[in-house]
Amino acid sequence: GAVVSQHPSRVICKSGTSVKIECRSLDFQATTMFWYRQFPKQSLMLMATSNEGSKATYEQGVEKDKFLINHASLTLSTLTVTSAHPEDSSFYICSATGRAYEQYFGPGTRLTVT
Amino acid sequence: GQNIDQPTEMTATEGAIVQINCTYQTSGFNGLFWYQQHAGEAPTFLSYNVLDGLEEKGRFSSFLSRSKGYSYLLLKELQMKDSASYLCAVVDSNYQLIWGAGTKLIIKP
Repeated sequence: GAVVSQHPSRVICKSGTSVKIECRSLDFQATTMFWYRQFPKQSLMLMATSNEGSKATYEQGVEKDKFLINHASLTLSTLTVTSAHPEDSSFYICSATGRAYEQYFGPGTRLTVT
Repeated sequence: GQNIDQPTEMTATEGAIVQINCTYQTSGFNGLFWYQQHAGEAPTFLSYNVLDGLEEKGRFSSFLSRSKGYSYLLLKELQMKDSASYLCAVVDSNYQLIWGAGTKLIIKP
């Protein structure tokens, strides 16, 4: 089956610093990758959609200058949370699609900003 | 606008059967997914329906009626490990995935 990895799985950072999260499709080429955020006991919230080699499409209310997305190859997308604040603490999940519409999810990254 | 409705929370007993409903109003339809998400983990794929009817996969079955904009996920022989959130998602005409808010299923012994 299709496998998506995320790194790191957990990260704690200080307020004001930046954090980079990597999302990789291990055994398939991902034409599109998605970044989600999920706060405790809430549903997934789509942050942005990225296609390889083009700029990401951000959902309304998501600051593109704060959440930088780079989809440099068909197997790698990165999300950088810049100048993180405690309210950015959340569970960040990426997913990737190949030729079909099914989204394969990474295991998620739990970010805690102190 | 586009809308996916599913109950917020359901409770069922171990060994029983539970049906989780999902209704949708979207711009176009290119299939419906059900995902399972345990607390603190990423969602995992359960089923995909694009044609009307029932798809059975072990203890889990998923049904679709496109004319009614309706789907359900049926879980049989419930086990404690089935306690999770179940997410309904529809692929619209732009091939975007529209997510429901999820149904939290609580299994009691």
